Amino acid sequence: DQQVKQNSPSLSVQEGRISILNCDYTNSMFDYFLWYKKYPAEGPTFLISISSIKDKNEDGRFTVFLNKSAKHLSLHIVPSQPGDSAVYFCAASVEANAGKSTFGDGTTLTVKP
Amino acid sequence: NAGVMQNPRHLVRRRGQEARLRCSPMKGHSHVYWYRQLPEEGLKFMVYLQKENIIDESGMPKERFSAEFPKEGPSILRIQQVVRGDSAAYFCASSPRTGRSYGYTFGSGTRLTVV
Repeated sequence: DQQVKQNSPSLSVQEGRISILNCDYTNSMFDYFLWYKKYPAEGPTFLISISSIKDKNEDGRFTVFLNKSAKHLSLHIVPSQPGDSAVYFCAASVEANAGKSTFGDGTTLTVKP
Repeated sequence: NAGVMQNPRHLVRRRGQEARLRCSPMKGHSHVYWYRQLPEEGLKFMVYLQKENIIDESGMPKERFSAEFPKEGPSILRIQQVVRGDSAAYFCASSPRTGRSYGYTFGSGTRLTVV
């Protein structure tokens, strides 16, 4: 039973356009959500997070939206840059211990110049 | 300020041998988390440790796997009698405290190959 799902294994966008990565979860106990970016042969790098008391969090080109009723979150990258090409993981946790996260299987984003 | 250091980066073991993976957390971090990533999958939580204590090992396989985080030195993930299915990337993350944070810092991982 996969509690965090990223249904799109890959996404390709043109440089300068918007990238939208989606994530769904099933466990109602999750109240803290994180996005990580991962390059090959490296560990995940924290990108942005959101608590369940919010529905939006923004950091520069990155915005995360949370729809609690639909148990859905999305990461928007605007404008997309070739350096954004990586695997993006959505992760969910109970805020009391965000270090113990449940990860999705990732979406490979390719930004074409 | 060095990040989370994991070594070795690559480890090859024959079936039945032991694998020892080391993780040195960032300076000042006393919480360590181990994750495993199988090919084409996300990271799966294995174990959470604080200095000298295992806090949560709910993701650890019941047999052959153990972890420690001694008072001095790195955290060690030990896999005894490795099998082909243990081949994966093993990542550790560290934090100065538990709870909400601005993200946990991951190391670059150890890629274990069992032949």
